[in-house]
Amino acid sequence: AQTVTQSQPEMSVQEAETVTLSCTYDTSESDYYLFWYKQPPSRQMILVIRQEAYKQQNATENRFSVNFQKAAKSFSLKISDSQLGDAAMYFCAYLAGANSKLTFGKGITLSVRP
Amino acid sequence: GAGVSQSPRYKVAKRGQDVALRCDPISGHVSLFWYQQALGQGPEFLTYFQNEAQLDKSGLPSDRFFAERPEGSVSTLKIQRTQQEDSAVYLCASSFLIAGGIYEQYFGPGTRLTVT
Repeated sequence: AQTVTQSQPEMSVQEAETVTLSCTYDTSESDYYLFWYKQPPSRQMILVIRQEAYKQQNATENRFSVNFQKAAKSFSLKISDSQLGDAAMYFCAYLAGANSKLTFGKGITLSVRP
Repeated sequence: GAGVSQSPRYKVAKRGQDVALRCDPISGHVSLFWYQQALGQGPEFLTYFQNEAQLDKSGLPSDRFFAERPEGSVSTLKIQRTQQEDSAVYLCASSFLIAGGIYEQYFGPGTRLTVT
């Protein structure tokens, strides 16, 4: 079975600084997808960034980028120029097939200090 | 519609009561997922529909949990004889095919169920 591990329960970052959130996963599949989701206190889960395992290039979306290390099964999220609105829970998630269930990590609570 | 909607947003049930949670997916999304999110945890898969067919119900924790999507649109998650351990946020997501051959899941705001 696939597992997703987020070992840091909380992190804090100063506004305008950079922070990296860690995630590791375990799978025997060769074709899969990885995601980072943001969940503000309002609870609506929002997709932040997506990475296809077959792509070697790391995904980037504005201030958000990933460091995908397939051999190490590591998938970290870097947030640059942190903003107060980035404060939320962040979940790393794994998708085995193109249209199947997501497997989530336990999440990390990110706080942003003004 | 503009997004996935769920109702009610909050539900308090006494132990032993039956509850029904509703999900309205984005129009045209053929796939629909239910997840259960305990406090401070990540969501866990419950069940999955493609149109009206329930293709995977491996995550349902007991036979007290039942989900349906009779016309391939609105879905209802029913919990019979609720127990305290059923207290959680229940998230619904619908998905559609995007570029690259992947289905992107869009989540609703969830229903927070509290069993007293």
